[in-house]
Amino acid sequence: EAGVVQSPRYKIIEKKQPVAFWCNPISGHNTLYWYRQNLGQGPELLIRYENEEAVDDSQLPKDRFSAERLKGVDSTLKIQPAELGDSAVYLCASSFEAGGGYNEQFFGPGTRLTVL
Amino acid sequence: AQSVTQLDSQVPVFEEAPVELRCNYSSSVSVYLFWYVQYPNQGLQLLLKYLSGSTLVKGINGFEAEFNKSQTSFHLRKPSVHISDTAEYFCAVRNAGNNRKLIWGLGTSLAVNP
Repeated sequence: EAGVVQSPRYKIIEKKQPVAFWCNPISGHNTLYWYRQNLGQGPELLIRYENEEAVDDSQLPKDRFSAERLKGVDSTLKIQPAELGDSAVYLCASSFEAGGGYNEQFFGPGTRLTVL
Repeated sequence: AQSVTQLDSQVPVFEEAPVELRCNYSSSVSVYLFWYVQYPNQGLQLLLKYLSGSTLVKGINGFEAEFNKSQTSFHLRKPSVHISDTAEYFCAVRNAGNNRKLIWGLGTSLAVNP
């Protein structure tokens, strides 16, 4: 079974340029997460989708970040324009959630963004 | 609000030695607790989790952790480490209810030396 797929793995851009990251979750997973991980820190949740609905985007900097998951499967995270402080690893994770309780989040390898 | 403190940012250890990575949390409600491992240039992989029941949980790669409610700790241990255990280890906590948001520690870098 394929895991969470992310592309690109690495991206280098100049500040003020736009950038987009793509994530394809594990087949059948209805919940998708985007995290940002700064160097030397733990992941920080940016947005969580349940199917195509963004149910938690409280930490997403909406002035420059946007995300979509139009058909409830794959997702794109965009930054426009990028700033130097956006340099980080952007992680995507997915899980299958049905009601309460716990279900494991599976992580992709991440996209390492460098803004020059 | 919940928080997680990983007490050591770096832990150097020799191969075949035991290791303990420390994690303390704070929460006013029941929690689930997790340890994840991140190998260089890879995503996060679940090592083990505590949801309920036995306070000693065993995970992959020979790791185990003990939930101590009175001390609000969830320390990770391995009796004998290998070079391949060199990685970043993250402790995380979430509400035991429907709020699925994970709160993460800053990570502990484990360096296993020959």
